Amino acid sequence: GESVGLHLPTLSVQEGDNSIINCAYSNSASDYFIWYKQESGKGPQFIIDIRSNMDKRQGQRVTVLLNKTVKHLSLQIAATQPGDSAVYFCAENMDRDDKIIFGKGTRLHILP
Amino acid sequence: NAGVMQNPRHLVRRRGQEARLRCSPMKGHSHVYWYRQLPEEGLKFMVYLQKENIIDESGMPKERFSAEFPKEGPSILRIQQVVRGDSAAYFCASSENSGTPNTEAFFGQGTRLTVV
Repeated sequence: GESVGLHLPTLSVQEGDNSIINCAYSNSASDYFIWYKQESGKGPQFIIDIRSNMDKRQGQRVTVLLNKTVKHLSLQIAATQPGDSAVYFCAENMDRDDKIIFGKGTRLHILP
Repeated sequence: NAGVMQNPRHLVRRRGQEARLRCSPMKGHSHVYWYRQLPEEGLKFMVYLQKENIIDESGMPKERFSAEFPKEGPSILRIQQVVRGDSAAYFCASSENSGTPNTEAFFGQGTRLTVV
């Protein structure tokens, strides 16, 4: 089965507020983590990644936090916009020569 | 630089027919991955290929499913004698190297297979 999972299937956030999407993983050997955004009818789009030797990485309006002690990953989106509405997947790569394993996803719903 | 191209975008097949899904990776990419996605679910890994080689097919069903990535031309995911349970979105991704950090895998728009 999949080793990456998410706490909440749906998250509703007021436009302009910050969003926090959480993810738990079970394989302590995973060394690379990625967040993807998938809009309806489209393929997953890379957002941000982080290696296991880091605990935080920032991009444009997004921040990924990694807590290896509790095997927890989160994606923070600042000043959430309507265009952020999508399903967000965390994914892990357990072997640098192998596949990426996806979690089930969290649907982010933006309230006007 | 065109992205990962998948065709067809939508495919309808009757039970028992064959489905052929094509994926052209991004220019310069020699690694291809196929994933399957059911509605409201995550993407499940099926197979990882390099040119003319299957590297990891641990996610492929043992029967009816096959994949290839020839020296020339697109990668093909073939499903023989389709059943209704094969209905899903099938995504292809490509990368320059195999899943190494800082090497993104870029996804196509998917092929939505409907078996009637």
